Amino acid sequence: EPEVTQTPSHQVTQMGQEVILRCVPISNHLYFYWYRQILGQKVEFLVSFYNNEISEKSEIFDDQFSVERPDGSNFTLKIRSTKLEDSAMYFCASSELDLNTGELFFGEGSRLTVL
Amino acid sequence: GDSVTQMEGPVTLSEEAFLTINCTYTATGYPSLFWYVQYPGEGLQLLLKATKADDKGSNKGFEATYRKETTSFHLEKGSVQVSDSAVYFCALRWGKLIFGQGTELSVKP
Repeated sequence: EPEVTQTPSHQVTQMGQEVILRCVPISNHLYFYWYRQILGQKVEFLVSFYNNEISEKSEIFDDQFSVERPDGSNFTLKIRSTKLEDSAMYFCASSELDLNTGELFFGEGSRLTVL
Repeated sequence: GDSVTQMEGPVTLSEEAFLTINCTYTATGYPSLFWYVQYPGEGLQLLLKATKADDKGSNKGFEATYRKETTSFHLEKGSVQVSDSAVYFCALRWGKLIFGQGTELSVKP
């Protein structure tokens, strides 16, 4: 069964360092998303991406964040200068269609710990 | 804005007990509603969905009915198993997917 894969599964970094989280969406999907879950809190929307552009972003997704699809398979989330409060589980998701009825398929997440 | 509210957890049940996890939503449009499940150490998996009012989604013995009049999408299962222990997330989609805060379920043998 096709699946969304994410790397790394866990990354520890120092405050102020740049971090890149990588995702390989399901191959025929066209819509890509990043969500995050701070420990014990709800899963929050960060950004959606289609046709090499950001479709929508949340207030959380400030200038420290960026997304990119550098090739035909990867979808990355970059945090330019990490802060302690960026510590969270980051989930990548993809969907085939951008319909409200469509399911998002999630990866297993990348846990980011900022020290 | 749009939002989802779930009952507080954790919920602890004995095996074969009846499960209800309440979920209500606020939305300006006509969203689809979803239940996702997160097993320990794993990602989010779709459990079931309903795309319009009065639809019932069902999967693995779980079911939920889209109630527009009460803006609810409560998750139910008649007889839970230890393997159902997980965190359950109610979500709506009107554009982006918006999650509730999650409800942890623990089923004891």
